Amino acid sequence: DTEVTQTPKHLVMGMTNKKSLKCEQHMGHRAMYWYKQKAKKPPELMFVYSYEKLSINESVPSRFSPECPNSSLLNLHLHALQPEDSALYLCASSQDRPTTEQYFGPGTRLTVT
Amino acid sequence: GQQVMQIPQYQHVQEGEDFTTYCNSSTTLSNIQWYKQRPGGHPVFLIQLVKSGEVKKQKRLTFQFGEAKKNSSLHITATQTTDVGTYFCAGLGTSGSRLTFGEGTQLTVNP
Repeated sequence: DTEVTQTPKHLVMGMTNKKSLKCEQHMGHRAMYWYKQKAKKPPELMFVYSYEKLSINESVPSRFSPECPNSSLLNLHLHALQPEDSALYLCASSQDRPTTEQYFGPGTRLTVT
Repeated sequence: GQQVMQIPQYQHVQEGEDFTTYCNSSTTLSNIQWYKQRPGGHPVFLIQLVKSGEVKKQKRLTFQFGEAKKNSSLHITATQTTDVGTYFCAGLGTSGSRLTFGEGTQLTVNP
């Protein structure tokens, strides 16, 4: 199974809402990532988890809160987002470090109203 | 910080024509990876190059890594409509902690 799954596919939320994005992989990968992608732009790294520990936070605002409950799951908790946070949020995983290929999920298309 | 430049930003070709996208890093890379993202899709890993001067082929796709490990290219021979999408290079710096993506080259193929 070489699949990374993400839910939901689409999410519309108001600026006062709290929501969560979920990501799951069953490839035994020990590195997981959150990326943000705006239209016609490359993926922009937000967070890296390595062996379930947060190893990189790319100075992401605190309204985004990642969580890695176990080696297969990755969540991104959203609170008090701004309209400019509307984007495609991609989860990815790799064997253990970014040196190996990353498998991306289909993404969650987030719209903040 | 590390920067990865990619050109061209857009390329329109007739089916059967060749296509090349180029990547340049501001610093020496540990490796470079290439991804393809179809319209409405997500990035899909194509290949990884690690060695200086490395050349790898996948059917009609040829990938090269420069001798100085600071540049790379992807060449597609005789494009097909299935090649449509955005091709991203992504460089891994020598610290090995994160990939830096190029801006991507959006390829359209006219049948």
